Amino acid sequence: EVQLVQSGAEVKKPGESLKISCKASGYNFTSYWVVWVRQMPGKGLEWMGIIFPTDSDTRYSPSFEGQVTISADKSISTAYLEWSSLKASDTAIYYCARKFTGYDSYFDPWGQGTLVTVSS
Amino acid sequence: SYDLTQPLSVSVALGQTASISCGGKNIGSKNVHWYQQKPGQAPVLVTYKDDNRPSGIPERFSGSNSGNTATLTISRAQAGDEADYFCQLWDNSNYIFGTGTKVTVL
Repeated sequence: EVQLVQSGAEVKKPGESLKISCKASGYNFTSYWVVWVRQMPGKGLEWMGIIFPTDSDTRYSPSFEGQVTISADKSISTAYLEWSSLKASDTAIYYCARKFTGYDSYFDPWGQGTLVTVSS
Repeated sequence: SYDLTQPLSVSVALGQTASISCGGKNIGSKNVHWYQQKPGQAPVLVTYKDDNRPSGIPERFSGSNSGNTATLTISRAQAGDEADYFCQLWDNSNYIFGTGTKVTVL
C-alpha cells in the first residue's frame, strides 16, 4: 500500500525553528515528486513547493520562496519541510503528497497532515 | 497568476445530482483534478485528468472539462458525500487549487 506518514503535531513560539517530516512507503520514493501543501484554519489548499528525491531538485511557489525549505533524504524515503523562524501566520495544517508522473499531474496519496501551531 | 473560481457552497437533496463548477480562463485546454476533503481528514483524489476516476472511487463521481469551466458531478448523492471539494491544475510551473466548494446533502 502506498502511504505517506507525517510527523506529529507541533506547538512552537514565534521565532523558533521547526522541521516536519513525511515518510513514504509502498513505492519507489525516488521515482515520484513529493509536494507540500498548506491549509490555514478554515481555508483552502495552497501549493508550497515540490521536490524530486532522486537529486533533490526543488521548486517553490512564489508565495513561499524564501519562507520555507524543502528537502529529502532518499536513504530513508523521507521528505521534510523546514522553517528557520516561525511566525504566528504559519499556524496551519501541512500536507505532503506524492505527485503522479507528468508535469501537470495530480497528487495521490496524501499524508495525514501535520498541525503546526505558532503562539506566544 | 491563474485563478480558479468555485462556488462557495452547493446543496443537493439525498439521491439527487450535484454539480460543482471550477472556472478558469481556457481551462478546457488543461488537465483538471478534483479532491474531496471531509472534516478533519486529508484530501482524497476523486477524479483526475478531467474525467478519470481512481480505483476505489464510486462511479457516482464524474468529471468534465470544456471551454472556461470544469465540472465535478456527484450522482445519487449520499450523506457521506458531504465534504469540501477542490479543483486543481498546473499552470506556468505552478500548481493551482480552486477556492473550494462545501457540498451539503439535504
